Amino acid sequence: GAVVSQHPSWVICKSGTSVKIECRSLDFQATTMFWYRQFPKQSLMLMATSNEGSKATYEQGVEKDKFLINHASLTLSTLTVTSAHPEDSSFYICSARTRPRTGGRQPQHFGDGTRLSIL
Amino acid sequence: AQSVTQLDSHVSVSEGTPVLLRCNYSSSYSPSLFWYVQHPNKGLQLLLKYTSAATLVKGINGFEAEFKKSETSFHLTKPSAHMSDAAEYFCVVTPPGGTYKYIFGTGTRLKVLA
Repeated sequence: GAVVSQHPSWVICKSGTSVKIECRSLDFQATTMFWYRQFPKQSLMLMATSNEGSKATYEQGVEKDKFLINHASLTLSTLTVTSAHPEDSSFYICSARTRPRTGGRQPQHFGDGTRLSIL
Repeated sequence: AQSVTQLDSHVSVSEGTPVLLRCNYSSSYSPSLFWYVQHPNKGLQLLLKYTSAATLVKGINGFEAEFKKSETSFHLTKPSAHMSDAAEYFCVVTPPGGTYKYIFGTGTRLKVLA
């Protein structure tokens, strides 16, 4: 259980184009989804937190207009990198969690990531 | 403020020998703690979690971790390393409150020698 599917896994595109990445929870309802960015040989950097039906909360230093996040349903969140440039090239990972029914914290479940390369 | 420190950036072990990956945390309250593994070009897979129940937590693939409040540690162990265990391991702490944001350690790269 708790499978998160992220698509596409790889994308290469020209500078100036926009790229959409999808994150789906396949067997559970994700009340909260998270988007991370990971640079080579580094830990994950949280970009934003999104709750279903509300606006995403962005971390300090993350451009809201550059990284558009939509969480329209309990199973789907999308990240759109608008007017992408080479410096946006990175590994982007989403995660999802559900509201706990009992005490304790539900863990985040991660997608397999998207390798974005902007030429 | 919450923080987590992974004491070793790289660990090398021989196949069949024990694995110890160290993690210390700083927390004002009783934290939730997790260990994740990441293989190259993949997302993170949950190995195990501690959420204030039993202090010795058993996870997948033979891994376990012990929560020691007096030492503020949550070290990950495995009795016998396999070649397939070679990967990056992240220790994570979640502070109390509603956001449930993860605070990641810097990661430990485990190398398993044949």
